[in-house]
Amino acid sequence: GENVEQHPSTLSVQEGDSAVIKCTYSDSASNYFPWYKQELGKRPQLIIDIRSNVGEKKDQRIAVTLNKTAKHFSLHITETQPEDSAVYFCASTGANSKLTFGKGITLSVRP
Amino acid sequence: EAEVAQSPRYKITEKSQAVAFWCDPISGHATLYWYRQILGQGPELLVQFQDESVVDDSQLPKDRFSAERLKGVDSTLKIQPAELGDSAMYLCASSPQAGGGSIRLINEQFFGPGTRLTVL
Repeated sequence: GENVEQHPSTLSVQEGDSAVIKCTYSDSASNYFPWYKQELGKRPQLIIDIRSNVGEKKDQRIAVTLNKTAKHFSLHITETQPEDSAVYFCASTGANSKLTFGKGITLSVRP
Repeated sequence: EAEVAQSPRYKITEKSQAVAFWCDPISGHATLYWYRQILGQGPELLVQFQDESVVDDSQLPKDRFSAERLKGVDSTLKIQPAELGDSAMYLCASSPQAGGGSIRLINEQFFGPGTRLTVL
């Protein structure tokens, strides 16, 4: 089945700096790659997603890039703010169309 | 904005007891998912429904877990008997019907607030 890995497991940045979170996946048939943000004690919420027919998608301060050849995709957050502090999960679909999540990365934005 | 509802939000039980969780998806969403999220991990799919039918329960421990969505709307996940290792957050999610006739066109999944289960 699909295997999704996230690196690093924790990331700390200064407010205003950029943060980049990377994920790798194993199934070349995967075609949908969402990123979820989960604040402590709250539900995961989709912040951006990308399908395999595009290489990049941007929404204000957030962007996602996809490299199908290397089987990795990255979340980019610019001008980070303290409220960006949360756990971020990447996910991908495998050949069975089931979402497989990574273990999550804890992003801390220092004021 | 419509949201997925879950109850209870918290459940504490003793091992060997039975527990049940309820989920009400966003109105009109045909697909419903139950996930288990262990502390420090990502959500792991337990069961997926398309309307009232199970389409994937390969990761559901069927000796103790059961799930149903009798009328294709709300759903119940049951554990009997509960074990210490079942302590986790149980998340329900829903998504609209896949479009374009493609079973592989995945749509956004909307998560509920979860039920945090503690087994003592």
